Amino acid sequence: QLQLQESGPGLVKPSETLSLTCTVSGGSISSSSYYWGWIRQPPGKGLEWIGSIYYSGSTYYNPSLKSRVTISVDTSKNQFSLKLSSVTAADTAVYYCARQGWLPLQIGGYYFDYWGQGTLVTVSS
Amino acid sequence: QSVLTQPPSASGTPGQRVTISCSGSSSNIGSNTVNWYQQLPGTAPKLLIYSNNQRPSGVPDRFSGSKSGTSASLAISGLQSEDEADYYCAAWDDSRGGVYVFGTGTKVTVL
Repeated sequence: QLQLQESGPGLVKPSETLSLTCTVSGGSISSSSYYWGWIRQPPGKGLEWIGSIYYSGSTYYNPSLKSRVTISVDTSKNQFSLKLSSVTAADTAVYYCARQGWLPLQIGGYYFDYWGQGTLVTVSS
Repeated sequence: QSVLTQPPSASGTPGQRVTISCSGSSSNIGSNTVNWYQQLPGTAPKLLIYSNNQRPSGVPDRFSGSKSGTSASLAISGLQSEDEADYYCAAWDDSRGGVYVFGTGTKVTVL
């Protein structure tokens, strides 16, 4: 059974960089069939896609966050990571990592089928 | 601010049928497939429906999805107490270079 687990600091100071890692177990991150993504959810609010990465390192990001986001992959450790720079209180959220599948022959046919449990990151001094 | 609009709440008694709508535009629902996620209190979202109307393995057939034009719907038939959760629609949006967008979310209450 595929499992994803987020890890990283639960508290980050304003203007600093938020760093999280997602460890994948029960499957290979190097599968050609999937991307790997990050999604966040501010307390009491809805979901926001941050960005996704392919095992080759190809990435695409939410345009609203693109200037501050970097997602990378380490296939030797079966992990992928998120860095979000210049954080403010508005970046306080539960951050989820997830596996992203897509539909063959369907451009834009993406979905997230396996999710980590999420980790709360609070931005505060 | 989400580009996919859902009603904030829906409710029903056990055994009833509940329907949740998701309104989008030509750049998202109108041209791409729709997914639905269920989020039970305090847990991560779970994929409920993908590709408009497909259920992943293990999802009861009480849940069904449909799409027409720039709108989509999720129906829960035979409502059960364990269905009380937040539900989100989602789709790829072709605007702004491409972005995966979620709906505003609907809280389903079992009365």
